Amino acid sequence: AQSVTQLGSHVSVSEGALVLLRCNYSSSVPPYLFWYVQYPNQGLQLLLKYTSAATLVKGINGFEAEFKKSETSFHLTKPSAHMSDAAEYFCAVKETSYDKVIFGPGTSLSVIP
Amino acid sequence: DAGITQSPRHKVTETGTPVTLRCHQTENHRYMYWYRQDPGHGLRLIHYSYGVKDTDKGEVSDGYSVSRSKTEDFLLTLESATSSQTSVYFCAISELDRGQYFGPGTRLTVT
Repeated sequence: AQSVTQLGSHVSVSEGALVLLRCNYSSSVPPYLFWYVQYPNQGLQLLLKYTSAATLVKGINGFEAEFKKSETSFHLTKPSAHMSDAAEYFCAVKETSYDKVIFGPGTSLSVIP
Repeated sequence: DAGITQSPRHKVTETGTPVTLRCHQTENHRYMYWYRQDPGHGLRLIHYSYGVKDTDKGEVSDGYSVSRSKTEDFLLTLESATSSQTSVYFCAISELDRGQYFGPGTRLTVT
């Protein structure tokens, strides 16, 4: 069965510092992987997705994620945090095109001025 | 932004009353989903649809039913609302290997 874990329910970084949000998945086949962002009182917005093409995926707002099959990881990074990056971030997985998406519990990112 | 709306956006209702939430899309996407979001639980899938009149249960379907009579509309019904169904409900749409696009959410309070 698929599952997603996100290490750290809350992460704080200083403005301008590296952002690293961790995501590990379990899947019996190479999966589809996604990162979503949720700003307060809003729905989720797709940041980026991995669908078995390039292992380094670039998304919106300067975020990127790298698929590492050997580590079953799909960590999200951004070189320099901005105040506007403060939000909840969700990693998600599905095994095939037809499967349901399974979401991780989310990581709340705070950016300190 | 994907054309997806939810109504109502906020609702307060009493225990035992029926409630219907509506999700409407203008994207002609085949797949539609209902999730609930609660602190500490992330998003949990309630029901989903893979076409008109084709629906299936998610992980937390008890106490909920859905209907999809048209491609653009996906209704979520709480037959008899309970306080445990107080939550924020999100609708999402997708096509196969694309990501999901989410509506703005409905905040439901059951008193």
